[in-house]
Amino acid sequence: DVKVTQSSRYLVKRTGEKVFLECVQDMDHENMFWYRQDPGLGLRLIYFSYDVKMKEKGDIPEGYSVSREKKERFSLILESASTNQTSMYLCASSLGSSGTDTQYFGPGTRLTVL
Amino acid sequence: GENVEQHPSTLSVQEGDSAVIKCTYSDSASNYFPWYKQELGKRPQLIIDIRSNVGEKKDQRIAVTLNKTAKHFSLHITETQPEDSAVYFCAATRDSGYSTLTFGKGTMLLVSP
Repeated sequence: DVKVTQSSRYLVKRTGEKVFLECVQDMDHENMFWYRQDPGLGLRLIYFSYDVKMKEKGDIPEGYSVSREKKERFSLILESASTNQTSMYLCASSLGSSGTDTQYFGPGTRLTVL
Repeated sequence: GENVEQHPSTLSVQEGDSAVIKCTYSDSASNYFPWYKQELGKRPQLIIDIRSNVGEKKDQRIAVTLNKTAKHFSLHITETQPEDSAVYFCAATRDSGYSTLTFGKGTMLLVSP
């Protein structure tokens, strides 16, 4: 069974803080993704990575950066958190680089920025 | 890029009824269409998918149909049960290297006993 874990289920931060969200997968997957989920807006892709140290912008990368130093770990970084970044953040991974590979999601991190 | 529209945003049915969720896509090159189900408080999970060389695919009570000409695809759930209550997301992508899924905005399905 693929297991994707995220460092926190709930996180509360203050405006301007630097925030790190961690994601780890244990199935040697090539691709990893960060999505943001907001009511009525669905799942929006922030960044993805198809290999170690590689990263690609998704649809809404502004205000975010990512890091992938090891194959199993993909971090999302909010350099200076703002209230409009309050959201549910979902990490996912897939076996290969094809968009048709099944994505396995983590449990999500609900981030509140005050 | 790809744009996926999903309707309705909410759908309420009685247990035993059928439910249909529809999606349209804009990129005629898209050829893979998965559906993910997210139960309340849980993570999204793939429930069924279809490729453009197939017009319909069934798995027990769920089926997906694809109309490439009209660029739309639909999820059909028959004999709905309370455990079908969830948010359903459709998505589309091309089957090519480094492609990503574009998701619809989701449909909240509520099945009343």
